[in-house]
Amino acid sequence: KAGVTQTPRYLIKTRGQQVTLSCSPISGHRSVSWYQQTPGQGLQFLFEYFSETQRNKGNFPGRFSGRQFSNSRSEMNVSTLELGDSALYLCASSPGQLSDTQYFGPGTRLTVL
Amino acid sequence: AQSVTQPDIHITVSEGASLELRCNYSYGATPYLFWYVQSPGQGLQLLLKYFSGDTLVQGIKGFEAEFKRSQSSFNLRKPSVHWSDAAEYFCAGHSGGGADGLTFGKGTHLIIQP
Repeated sequence: KAGVTQTPRYLIKTRGQQVTLSCSPISGHRSVSWYQQTPGQGLQFLFEYFSETQRNKGNFPGRFSGRQFSNSRSEMNVSTLELGDSALYLCASSPGQLSDTQYFGPGTRLTVL
Repeated sequence: AQSVTQPDIHITVSEGASLELRCNYSYGATPYLFWYVQSPGQGLQLLLKYFSGDTLVQGIKGFEAEFKRSQSSFNLRKPSVHWSDAAEYFCAGHSGGGADGLTFGKGTHLIIQP
């Protein structure tokens, strides 16, 4: 069974732009979560989608948003990029129960110049 | 607030020696606990998890972890490390309800000396 895939793997943007990241979960998984990883703050939970609905949300500004499609694929969008948004963005999928184990993708490395 | 703490930022171990990485948690009830490993430029790979039951859990790559409620700890161990074990190790937890996603420790960077 294929793992979680994320595209693109690397992205360079400038301040003020917006960006969209994509995540395809493991086949059969209905939950997709997004995390931001930075050297200073470590790994932080952004949000989780289940059956096309945002089920949980971390403590991030409204510039960070996401959505999930009927095939469980998910996209994350960051608007009005700031230098501090430079990070590794990780997507994780799970079958759907909140207690299920999350399996992570390789991440998208976003650099904001 | 729920939290996971990894007290050691860096640990250096000789190849073939035993390893123990520390993890402490702070949750109101017994949390769901995980250990993940991250190699440079890669995502996170699950090593093992604890939900309930036997407090000694076995994982992949020869790793094990022991849940100790009295010490609020979930330390990761390996009897003999290999050079390929050099990586960043993360302890993580959630309350079971999962409302806040996984809470991660800051990670421990493992260096293997030849």
